[in-house]
Formats: sequence, structure tokens, C-alpha cells
Amino acid sequence: AQSVTQLGSHVSVSEGALVLLRCNYSSSVPPYLFWYVQYPNQGLQLLLKYTSAATLVKGINGFEAEFKKSETSFHLTKPSAHMSDAAEYFCAVSALYSSASKIIFGSGTRLSIRP
Amino acid sequence: DGGITQSPKYLFRKEGQNVTLSCEQNLNHDAMYWYRQDPGQGLRLIYYSQIVNDFQKGDIAEGYSVSREKKESFPLTVTSAQKNPTAFYLCASSNPRGGGYEQYFGPGTRLTVT
Repeated sequence: AQSVTQLGSHVSVSEGALVLLRCNYSSSVPPYLFWYVQYPNQGLQLLLKYTSAATLVKGINGFEAEFKKSETSFHLTKPSAHMSDAAEYFCAVSALYSSASKIIFGSGTRLSIRP
Repeated sequence: DGGITQSPKYLFRKEGQNVTLSCEQNLNHDAMYWYRQDPGQGLRLIYYSQIVNDFQKGDIAEGYSVSREKKESFPLTVTSAQKNPTAFYLCASSNPRGGGYEQYFGPGTRLTVT
């Protein structure tokens, strides 16, 4: 079975500061991992995905995430926050060899940016 | 442009009425999904379909029904049996046979039942 835990339901950073959103996963098989972003009243947009290739994954809008198997983590980072980064972020996991093609989503982290 | 469309964006209904939410995709994806999102919460899976004419219940299927008669379309009906239907509903699709486990989402439909 797969599960995802996002640490911190709300993170606030200053504009220009480092963004770090934490995600830990549990999976009995090699996982696919994803980060999605959701702006108010909109659908989810894929930021980046890990599919067992490079452990450091670069995504859109300057975000990146590092897969650490020993820590079962897939934290999302951005060196310098921008006001437009304010949104809800979801970490998600899917089983690599599953035929069910289901994704398990974390409960989300709301990112606020202080001017 | 390829993508997923959901209509309408906002929907209002009286309690006791069934309502159908539309979801169409032109990505040629086999799999489609319906999620429910409540304020401050994550996504909960209602139903999913891996292929035409087949679908499975998700975690919160009670009070909902779906059909998958065409590859492009996966409508969701919220029945009067659903106790708390007011929510934001998201449709998604994916292409697992092509190695794409990521899901692509539509813009959502906000349903308000009074």
C-alpha cells in the first residue's frame, strides 16, 4: 500500500526566501512521485514527477525535488520565493508496477508569501 | 489544444435533485477519474475508469454514479442520496498504458446544494 504525508498544512515565507515543502512517502514497491500545485478555484497542475531516473527532478516555475530513498522523502524546494508561488501544493505517490493507475494524494500544504 | 474540460464552472441545485457534472478529454487517455475536494482538505477519489464501459468505486462512491460510454467522456451524477454534496469536483485523466502515471486535471466544478 502507498501513502503520503505532507508535514505542515501551512508554510509562510518571505518573498525571495527559500521555499521548502516536506513530503514523506510509504510504498511497498518502487514509487512514482509527483508534486502538484493548485491555485484558488482551479484544477491541479503537475509541477514535476519522479519516475526512477535522476533523483533530482526539475520542474516548472523554478521548483525542484529530490528523491531520497533512505529517508523516504521527496521534498519540494525553490531557491527564491515569488509572490506568484502562493498556492496549495500536493505531494502524491503512485505504484510503479500497479495496473490500477491510481494516485494517492497528500493532504496539501498551503504556501503563503510575505512581501 | 489538448486538455480536459469540465462544465459548468459553478452549479447550484436544490436539495433532493440529481445533478450531472460533465468531463471531456481530448488527450486520448484511457483512464479517467473523479475527485471531491472540500475546503482545506486533500482530494478524495470518487470513481475511476481504466477503459471504456468499465469503472470502479473509489474511496467515497456512495451517493454518486458514473458512466463511461465513450473514451472522451466520464460524466458524474451526484444523486439525492449524497448527504453532503456541496464541494469542488475535479476530473482527471491519465495514460498508464503509455507509461504516464501522472494525472492531468480539469478546471473543476464547484457544486452548491441548498
